[in-house]
Amino acid sequence: GENVEQHPSTLSVQEGDSAVIKCTYSDSASNYFPWYKQELGKGPQLIIDIRSNVGEKKDQRIAVTLNKTAKHFSLHITETQPEDSAVYFCAACSSGGSNYKLTFGKGTLLTVNP
Amino acid sequence: NAGVTQTPKFQVLKTGQSMTLQCAQDMNHEYMSWYRQDPGMGLRLIHYSVGAGITDQGEVPNGYNVSRSTTEDFPLRLLSAAPSQTSVYFCASTLGRRLGSPLHFGNGTRLTVT
Repeated sequence: GENVEQHPSTLSVQEGDSAVIKCTYSDSASNYFPWYKQELGKGPQLIIDIRSNVGEKKDQRIAVTLNKTAKHFSLHITETQPEDSAVYFCAACSSGGSNYKLTFGKGTLLTVNP
Repeated sequence: NAGVTQTPKFQVLKTGQSMTLQCAQDMNHEYMSWYRQDPGMGLRLIHYSVGAGITDQGEVPNGYNVSRSTTEDFPLRLLSAAPSQTSVYFCASTLGRRLGSPLHFGNGTRLTVT
């Protein structure tokens, strides 16, 4: 099955700095890579995603890049703000047959210091 | 719309006890799933359902049962609780199998088994 590795497990930045979280996946058939943000006491929420036919996608201060050859993808947050503090999960979807499953990374706790 | 509603929010069980974690969604979503979240382990898929009457196992199904008698409800049953099942449980739903359909998560049930 799919295996997703996520680094770092914790990341602390100063407000206004950039933050980068990296993930690698094992299944070359995976074709969809979402990122979820989990605030304290809440369930994860989708913030951005990318499909395997696209190399980069941007939405305001967040962007995701995908390198299919190397099987890794990254989340970039620019001009970080205290409200960006949360746990971030990357995931990969191995679409096969009629199944729709997400394999998540172990998460990154991002702390933005004012 | 309430989205995905999970009850209870907190639960303490003794080893060997049984209980049902409730999950309901009001978005007419076809696909529902249960994840458990453990420190350093990320989110792991327990069971999922692609429609009423259809369920399947995820990555960590042992010790859990599910059923899907209606589109709205997807309860998770622990038949004989074990300390290893101490975790935070999230129910999620999505419109269908289409890539890019975001998972909508509930706010979780924190379960402690003593």
